[in-house]
Amino acid sequence: EVQLVESGGDLVKPGRSLKLSCLASGFTFTNYGVSWIRQAPGKGLEWIASISSSSSYIYYADTVKGRFTISRDNAKNTLYLQMTGLRSEDSALYYCTRGNYELLDAWGQGTSVTVSS
Amino acid sequence: DVQMTQSPYNLVASPGESVSINCKASKSISKYLAWYQQKPGKTNKLLIYDGSTLQSGIPSRFRGSGSGTDFTLTIRSLEPEDFGLYYCQQHNEYPLTFGSGTKLEIK
Repeated sequence: EVQLVESGGDLVKPGRSLKLSCLASGFTFTNYGVSWIRQAPGKGLEWIASISSSSSYIYYADTVKGRFTISRDNAKNTLYLQMTGLRSEDSALYYCTRGNYELLDAWGQGTSVTVSS
Repeated sequence: DVQMTQSPYNLVASPGESVSINCKASKSISKYLAWYQQKPGKTNKLLIYDGSTLQSGIPSRFRGSGSGTDFTLTIRSLEPEDFGLYYCQQHNEYPLTFGSGTKLEIK
């Protein structure tokens, strides 16, 4: 069974940093690109970053470019999102997703990030 | 960036009925449109990709159509478990963009 389990979400103050992780299982991690999608409370889905299977291609939304860094450790089947300079508008449920060709064919349950003083 | 305009915002229908959700792209995305279902307590589910290709394991009552800028998700013979939120997403180019969502309520 394909599983994506996010962790690392927390309540943090504006300007602080946080690192999210996503542990993948049930499939060959190295065969897939992976992405982070977020959803603010009561709002829609927002793509924020994607990384290809070998980390050769990385893409960011303008809203997080320069502040967030996506990375992966294929030996550990783990995807990361390093978030710096957090703002209140970054408060959201952060989903880890799997997919090639810009599709998102498996999702995790999400980890919650709240940015508040 | 490709803007995705999804309509309607809300739908209410009875089991057995058919409903349609529309998604319009701000420029041509060829066939590269996906539909997702979001339900409380469940992981989001990919229903359709490439405009009309049914994802493995998805019931055939879900049907996608369209190309270019205009796309439609049709759910025939609604089942009670079809309630939830539905999102379209263009998978033609980065940045990936989603529609604003349609809430489907079952009477």
